[in-house]
Amino acid sequence: SQTIHQWPATLVQPVGSPLSLECTVEGTSNPNLYWYRQAAGRGLQLLFYSVGIGQISSEVPQNLSASRPQDRQFILSSKKLLLSDSGFYLCASSQGPGELFFGEGSRLTVL
Amino acid sequence: GESVGLHLPTLSVQEGDNSIINCAYSNSASDYFIWYKQESGKGPQFIIDIRSNMDKRQGQRVTVLLNKTVKHLSLQIAATQPGDSAVYFCAESRSNDYKLSFGAGTTVTVRA
Repeated sequence: SQTIHQWPATLVQPVGSPLSLECTVEGTSNPNLYWYRQAAGRGLQLLFYSVGIGQISSEVPQNLSASRPQDRQFILSSKKLLLSDSGFYLCASSQGPGELFFGEGSRLTVL
Repeated sequence: GESVGLHLPTLSVQEGDNSIINCAYSNSASDYFIWYKQESGKGPQFIIDIRSNMDKRQGQRVTVLLNKTVKHLSLQIAATQPGDSAVYFCAESRSNDYKLSFGAGTTVTVRA
């Protein structure tokens, strides 16, 4: 089965600072990769997904970007964080349509 | 807006009772549905899924029911245990789509 690693698990950053959250996947090759954001007490909002190296689709306009430099590596970035970027960020992986496997999440607090 | 939603944001259940969590979806083209459980501070974990060619599927202590006529999905948990306390999400997609759309979640609290 797939294992999703995310880091850092917790991050506190000042407004205007850069961001880099990393996700790596084990146990599969050529997965579809996703970044979701979860605001407190809310559902999961899809931010980006990727079906291959260098292929990124953005679901919502935002202050964030994503990159996929390797098959099983997915990075979420920002050049300048906003307060509204605070949240719980989840990386997920799938093999085609269907079940997503999630990482343990990265909690970002922007102050 | 979201195409999937849950009827109740919270559910309190006595330990040992059965739980029923409901979900309504609006996209009639959806043909794959899935339930996730999310414990505090962790990522969602797969519980059970069902495709639109079925109306019922059973797992260990869980049953998912799908009513395509009224676009309704439910998750039944038998003999609810304290470890079942979590947020439960339903999600839907179409079979040719790589993206799942999630509802807002139902928080289940099990009373001892």
